[in-house]
Amino acid sequence: QIHLAQSGAEVKKPGASVKISCKTSGYRFKAYGVSWMRQAPGQGPEWMGWISCDDGDTKYAETFQGRVTVTADTPTTTVYMELKSLRSDDTAIYFCARDGMVVDAIGVALDSWGQGTMVTVST
Amino acid sequence: DVVMTQFPLSLAVTLGQPASISCRSSESLLYSDGNTYLIWFHQRPGQSPRRLFYKVSNRDSGVPRRFSGSGSGTDFTLNITRVEAEDVGVYYCMQATHWPPAFGQGTKVEIK
Repeated sequence: QIHLAQSGAEVKKPGASVKISCKTSGYRFKAYGVSWMRQAPGQGPEWMGWISCDDGDTKYAETFQGRVTVTADTPTTTVYMELKSLRSDDTAIYFCARDGMVVDAIGVALDSWGQGTMVTVST
Repeated sequence: DVVMTQFPLSLAVTLGQPASISCRSSESLLYSDGNTYLIWFHQRPGQSPRRLFYKVSNRDSGVPRRFSGSGSGTDFTLNITRVEAEDVGVYYCMQATHWPPAFGQGTKVEIK
């Protein structure tokens, strides 16, 4: 069945970077994209960015532009999200989710989610 | 950016009674292809969100029939005919018609 498995919790200092992995299985990797969302404590999800697993096209929310990079590795069917210059308000659970394959289909799917990765930014 | 507003923000329901959650968007969610990209999610404490409905009213596999999604344009509703204990958690609407995708702030459902 469809499964997205994320890497484990991270604790980082302000100014550092974090890179989270999302290993996908159970479906044809290149037929979909993957979106990343985050959820701060007690808040709703916030969409961060997306990658097409077909051609590597990416799109990012303006809030994160310049700080976030999403990449995909086809041989391992794994997608990565790196967030740089971390601040305390980046403390959140980060989720990957299967999404549409093309830019016009961003947010259309989100039908299978990873379990979430807690990132804590603290001195 | 499109703003999604849900109400109520919390709901205490007696088991077996109905529940209704509203979601309003700041712009029409009707896309040029004729579809309306409004999704409903349910998130239990400590879990990832689970999609319930896509394109307003298309029920995902395994979603009980006591749930229904409806609406058009800027106004949408998630209804539960008879609330069960497993329905507790937070419900989110999300729009994908306009970039960037945007979630509502969530409606917390608990049992009275």
